[in-house]
Amino acid sequence: KNEVEQSPQNLTAQEGEFITINCSYSVGISALHWLQQHPGGGIVSLFMLSSGKKKHGRLIATINIQEKHSSLHITASHPRDSAVYICAVRTGNQFYFGTGTSLTVIP
Amino acid sequence: EAQVTQNPRYLITVTGKKLTVTCSQNMNHEYMSWYRQDPGLGLRQIYYSMNVEVTDKGDVPEGYKVSRKEKRNFPLILESPSPNQTSLYFCASSLNPGIHGYTFGSGTRLTVV
Repeated sequence: KNEVEQSPQNLTAQEGEFITINCSYSVGISALHWLQQHPGGGIVSLFMLSSGKKKHGRLIATINIQEKHSSLHITASHPRDSAVYICAVRTGNQFYFGTGTSLTVIP
Repeated sequence: EAQVTQNPRYLITVTGKKLTVTCSQNMNHEYMSWYRQDPGLGLRQIYYSMNVEVTDKGDVPEGYKVSRKEKRNFPLILESPSPNQTSLYFCASSLNPGIHGYTFGSGTRLTVV
């Protein structure tokens, strides 16, 4: 049983395209995180959300608590956005992670 | 530079030989945690610590021990490693996990033969 489901698993886009990655979860949460894992393996925290919407540069993250769903959008995608994007939910002091969406942006 | 430092980056060991993976942060963060990442399973939480001398089990604690004797350090101990503990391990820290994001270490790739 997966507490966190992401879609799609793999995504290939042309440079400049608008990208959406989806995350659904089945547990009550105190916060949802979006993480980026680079091809070299390092992980960077992109957003932490408990409601509404956040924007950082070309990245936008939204969450709908009632529907238990979050989306990560990338506008004007660029090859340097190629990475694995991971959704994680925090319930109490525990974390549950999605298996990630592997994004490749082609020039 | 604010960072979480893990050592070693790569480790190959034999079954049953005790090992420690170190994790240190220089940001005075209260919260620290350990995760393992496996293909098809994603990241899973092993242990976490809310503060000095306070540790608790995550999703997959079996076969692991941790300690938090001082705020900056949170070592992961494998008393008797087995091949199913071959994985990529990450340490992370946060000032306040309810408000702030996380800073991750660079990862430790462990192979147990």
